Amino acid sequence: AQSVTQLDSHVSVSEGTPVLLRCNYSSSYSPSLFWYVQHPNKGLQLLLKYTSAATLVKGINGFEAEFKKSETSFHLTKPSAHMSDAAEYFCVVSGAGNMLTFGGGTRLMVKP
Amino acid sequence: DSGVTQTPKHLITATGQRVTLRCSPRSGDLSVYWYQQSLDQGLQFLIQYYNGEERAKGNILERFSAQQFPDLHSELNLSSLELGDSALYFCASSVGGRGPYEQYFGPGTRLTVT
Repeated sequence: AQSVTQLDSHVSVSEGTPVLLRCNYSSSYSPSLFWYVQHPNKGLQLLLKYTSAATLVKGINGFEAEFKKSETSFHLTKPSAHMSDAAEYFCVVSGAGNMLTFGGGTRLMVKP
Repeated sequence: DSGVTQTPKHLITATGQRVTLRCSPRSGDLSVYWYQQSLDQGLQFLIQYYNGEERAKGNILERFSAQQFPDLHSELNLSSLELGDSALYFCASSVGGRGPYEQYFGPGTRLTVT
């Protein structure tokens, strides 16, 4: 069985400041982890993925995430927020048969 | 644009009715997945098909069924609709059936049951 917990349902930052979205996972075997973003009234877009290669994963639009097995975490970061980053972000773990289990989501708000 | 298409974009129907949602995967992808996104349940996996065969089942109600056709498009059938079935239904596709393959999501079908 696997599960994902996103520790913050809402995060608010000012434009130009760093972004940190926190995610903890639980998996009975070596997991594959993803971050997806959902802009208002849009589908889900893959930001980045971890599949047991490098623990620091770089994604699109300047986002990156670090896999920490000892902490069972996969936090998403970006050095400088942009207004266009305002969206809902989902941390996701892939299980048997490529079935995805989603976290509850974190809504990122970016203030000018 | 992910390359996954879903029709219709919006659907409004009454309780007790039956609807069919359609999904065309990205060119070359053999696996199709259906997900439901609602305010109270979040995003939940419903069912997966790989090359026409059911591969995995999640939290899919017995009133719901799906199939994948020889041309690889998929349909999700929802019957005896209830108010609680109102949600955004996403289809995703991937190259393979067993992971970890990236899943590419369509824009979704918003179902409103009145």
